[in-house]
Amino acid sequence: EAGVTQSPTHLIKTRGQQATLRCSPISGHTSVYWYQQALGLGLQFLLWYDEGEERNRGNFPPRFSGRQFPNYSSELNVNALELEDSALYLCASSLAEGLVQETQYFGPGTRLLVL
Amino acid sequence: AQSVTQLGSHVSVSEGALVLLRCNYSSSVPPYLFWYVQYPNQGLQLLLKYTSAATLVKGINGFEAEFKKSETSFHLTKPSAHMSDAAEYFCAVSDLDDYKLSFGAGTTVTVRA
Repeated sequence: EAGVTQSPTHLIKTRGQQATLRCSPISGHTSVYWYQQALGLGLQFLLWYDEGEERNRGNFPPRFSGRQFPNYSSELNVNALELEDSALYLCASSLAEGLVQETQYFGPGTRLLVL
Repeated sequence: AQSVTQLGSHVSVSEGALVLLRCNYSSSVPPYLFWYVQYPNQGLQLLLKYTSAATLVKGINGFEAEFKKSETSFHLTKPSAHMSDAAEYFCAVSDLDDYKLSFGAGTTVTVRA
């Protein structure tokens, strides 16, 4: 069974540009989570989507946004990029909402570098 | 909101020695607890999770963790370190009514031959 996949693996942008990161969950998983792993800041929760709806977001500005498609894949968009947005962005998926103890399975991440 | 504290940002052990990684959580209500491992340039892999079924949780690759409510701890151990255990380890917690994971700062393990 295929795991969580993310694309691209690396992304280089300049300040002020927009970045789009993509995630495909494990087949059968309807929840998708996004996390940011920035140097010195650790792993921080960004966004959670389930059944096409945004369920929760972390303490990030509105220029971080995303969506979930009918096939449960997800996109993370970062507008007006800043240097401090350089980080590894990890996507995770899990089974349906309501089963809190369900494990989140992580993808390999997209490394975003903002110059 | 839940939080976890990992004591020690770096642990160095000899091959064959005990690996002990410490994690303490903040809540008085036992949450869900997880240990993940991250190898260089990779995503996170689940080692084990605590969901109140048993206080001693066995995971993959010979790791186990014991949930101690009185100490609000969930320390990770492995009796005998292997070179392949060199990685970064993260303790994480989620609330009973929340689905996001809150991670500790991570502990980097190096294994000496």
